Amino acid sequence: DSGVTQTPKHLITATGQRVTLRCSPRSGDLSVYWYQQSLDQGLQFLIQYYNGEERAKGNILERFSAQQFPDLHSELNLSSLELGDSALYFCASSQSGGSGNTIYFGEGSWLTVV
Amino acid sequence: GNSVTQMEGPVTLSEEAFLTINCTYTATGYPSLFWYVQYPGEGLQLLLKATKADDKGSNKGFEATYRKETTSFHLEKGSVQVSDSAVYFCALNAGGTSYGKLTFGQGTILTVHP
Repeated sequence: DSGVTQTPKHLITATGQRVTLRCSPRSGDLSVYWYQQSLDQGLQFLIQYYNGEERAKGNILERFSAQQFPDLHSELNLSSLELGDSALYFCASSQSGGSGNTIYFGEGSWLTVV
Repeated sequence: GNSVTQMEGPVTLSEEAFLTINCTYTATGYPSLFWYVQYPGEGLQLLLKATKADDKGSNKGFEATYRKETTSFHLEKGSVQVSDSAVYFCALNAGGTSYGKLTFGQGTILTVHP
């Protein structure tokens, strides 16, 4: 158990809908990351927050947004969903944003868009 | 930009065989290097890491040495078990303006037969 908690574990929704994925980081970790894993793209970095502020942005679509709340939990919002958004979405956390920090991953949220 | 290249899989071995999964990287500066493992139906788990040149990371019989001269971080295990069957990801954290985000290789599927 990494200590990173993600909900829901599985989600099936229709095209055009909006979903919210939730993440609780490990106790004491200030940095939260979101990654997308798909068969064709592999593991892609989406976005990072540090202590409530956006720190780095990757290949995140404009239809997607995220935030980190004062209690450090984070949410990833996916809207106007398309079939191609079906993927495993990982949340991860680390103590800070330094390069040597170990990043711990949750078990992921499986999103299926039908 | 930063990138990680892993040997193409899948890799199929018999139990007790020697394992090598090659990983090379491109990065500016002095990245930290990681191996993560994903067991079937599970999230990513940190297997080992190395934060500077010539460091050796090790865990559960797996080893990898950070070779700056060849920009490599090959994963090895002397005697694999059926329970090692999983997908293995090499990753780097370049630090600096990349902050804490990880750049992953494409993953190598390992199957170990009894």
